[in-house]
Amino acid sequence: EILMTQSPDIVSASPGEGVTLSCRASQNVWSSLAWYQHKPGQTPRLLIYGASTRASGIPDRFSGSGSGTEFTLTISSLQSEDFALYYCQQYSNWRTFGQGTTVEIK
Amino acid sequence: QVQIQESGPGLLKPSETLSLTCTVSGGSISGNYWGWVRQPPGKGLEWIAYIYYTGYTKSSPSLESRVTTSLATSRKKFSLHLRSVTAADTAVYYCARTVRGEYVDVWGPGMLVTVSS
Repeated sequence: EILMTQSPDIVSASPGEGVTLSCRASQNVWSSLAWYQHKPGQTPRLLIYGASTRASGIPDRFSGSGSGTEFTLTISSLQSEDFALYYCQQYSNWRTFGQGTTVEIK
Repeated sequence: QVQIQESGPGLLKPSETLSLTCTVSGGSISGNYWGWVRQPPGKGLEWIAYIYYTGYTKSSPSLESRVTTSLATSRKKFSLHLRSVTAADTAVYYCARTVRGEYVDVWGPGMLVTVSS
């Protein structure tokens, strides 16, 4: 099973600031990586697939990069609605999720 | 806009079978991949299985011995059956539409299933 490790567990930032979330795969997953946003009481929302392609309707302040084993999700200027839990998920070998990174208000 | 709703028993006893039915509205079963993801309390997400509208299905290697999937296209439903449940199967279960069985683009609201004697 491919293990996905996200860092940090929690990042604190202020509205308007940029943040970068990391996701590492235990083996090569090529570009078979998705990112989701999950808010309490809501269903997860697909942000990025193919490591860097934004899903429909996702603002361009969200960007994904990386390939192989190292990936990042960058939010360029945090809006109030962006404070949430973020998961990465690989789909190269079955499908496994990272444990999540919480973006909280500083 | 496609929506999915989970239904089924919310409480099971150990050794029973979890049967989760997912009903699709606002779209068709045909042409799509559908799937199931779960999240145990306080833990991360786990992908259980997916099924194509043709009936082709694939399950998690760790669960495949206990998983059966099916769909009823005309009734716009797809279903998951997980046999011999234990407390470790307690989780919020999500039905989902997936892209090629790879990642989820539409999620159901989720349903808590508790396994307890």
